[in-house]
Amino acid sequence: NAGVTQTPKFQVLKTGQSMTLQCAQDMNHEYMSWYRQDPGMGLRLIHYSVGAGITDQGEVPNGYNVSRSTTEDFPLRLLSAAPSQTSVYFCASSYSPLGPGELFFGEGSRLTVL
Amino acid sequence: GDSVTQMEGPVTLSEEAFLTINCTYTATGYPSLFWYVQYPGEGLQLLLKATKADDKGSNKGFEATYRKETTSFHLEKGSVQVSDSAVYFCALRGGTSYGKLTFGQGTILTVHP
Repeated sequence: NAGVTQTPKFQVLKTGQSMTLQCAQDMNHEYMSWYRQDPGMGLRLIHYSVGAGITDQGEVPNGYNVSRSTTEDFPLRLLSAAPSQTSVYFCASSYSPLGPGELFFGEGSRLTVL
Repeated sequence: GDSVTQMEGPVTLSEEAFLTINCTYTATGYPSLFWYVQYPGEGLQLLLKATKADDKGSNKGFEATYRKETTSFHLEKGSVQVSDSAVYFCALRGGTSYGKLTFGQGTILTVHP
């Protein structure tokens, strides 16, 4: 029972490099989302998707790109990494795009940008 | 827009003490309310939830009641254990923001033996 799987768990980048954080879920959830967690700020929504082929921006989308070609996968791309993107990133999914159901979270990806 | 405010932390308690973590929210409509817990080095796990006014969510000895009149969802536990040490997040979903889960800033709980 995998749930939401994120890779990699840890990554160190240099400023200006690009990378992709992978997220996959095996629960046939329509809704998927990416959050970043920073000390004292809770979790903030980066991008979300309500189904394959449909994505939209959250609170803090700048510097990130997403796509949703399948129901299962929702990768997050950092186009040109900056130190301000040092954070812990969480992928989360839910069956319904609107709720009231809870979101299921991956274990997180810790990114450091030097 | 929607917002969630949690009590300032961190909170430090002795084992078997009573725990309250306050949470208030602002949202239109009838959002669902959640408490998530994050143990050190791990992701977020759902602790409990309530989907309508006066519902009480409970799990692992923790309880919270959805109070629409005071827009609150305070987390309580009668007797905390060292293993309850974690970060606790209050969150809402289904207000004005389409499907988004809106979080409070989190409260760090440390329980000493």
